[in-house]
Amino acid sequence: DQQVKQNSPSLSVQEGRISILNCDYTNSMFDYFLWYKKYPAEGPTFLISISSIKDKNEDGRFTVFLNKSAKHLSLHIVPSQPGDSAVYFCAASDLKGSGNTGKLIFGQGTTLQVKP
Amino acid sequence: DTAVSQTPKYLVTQMGNDKSIKCEQNLGHDTMYWYKQDSKKFLKIMFSYNNKELIINETVPNRFSPKSPDKAHLNLHINSLELGDSAVYFCASSFRRGLGTDTQYFGPGTRLTVL
Repeated sequence: DQQVKQNSPSLSVQEGRISILNCDYTNSMFDYFLWYKKYPAEGPTFLISISSIKDKNEDGRFTVFLNKSAKHLSLHIVPSQPGDSAVYFCAASDLKGSGNTGKLIFGQGTTLQVKP
Repeated sequence: DTAVSQTPKYLVTQMGNDKSIKCEQNLGHDTMYWYKQDSKKFLKIMFSYNNKELIINETVPNRFSPKSPDKAHLNLHINSLELGDSAVYFCASSFRRGLGTDTQYFGPGTRLTVL
């Protein structure tokens, strides 16, 4: 009963093109969503987040879209660069329900490969 | 000058042994976490401490016990290790409790292999 799922284990795109990573969730109480990026032999690092009161948040080449009715979020990377090759984790939180403890529910990650 | 560090990086041990993983953060954060990345690659929260107070305690076997000697350290002790405990364990920290949107900073992980 995984509440956050990333159904594509891997994605390969050409440098300069758009990368779209997808994430689905089941818990309608989730109100805060994040993307983390992970390189081999390192821990995940925060990339971008979005509150449930918004449907889009942008930071440079990275944009996260939230579709609450579909319980779906996506991360767009434009343009993709070889240095973006990593594992991307989607995470969600029920801020009120968790008592603002910072409890995050993670997906299983999608490995992105950007080819030069 | 590592922000969140874990030792050891790799740990190979026999079933039934007791082992500890140490975590230290030099960010001045109040809250620390332990996550387990299982064979299916999901990162799952195990415990969280805020200023030495346990605030998250997920359903994990009581063979796992976190210990926080001070707010900069959160160690994980595992007794009577089992094959299913093999995983990568990540420590993380965030600035303060009460703001669940604070960014969590992760350590590099400890790969535990139980033979």
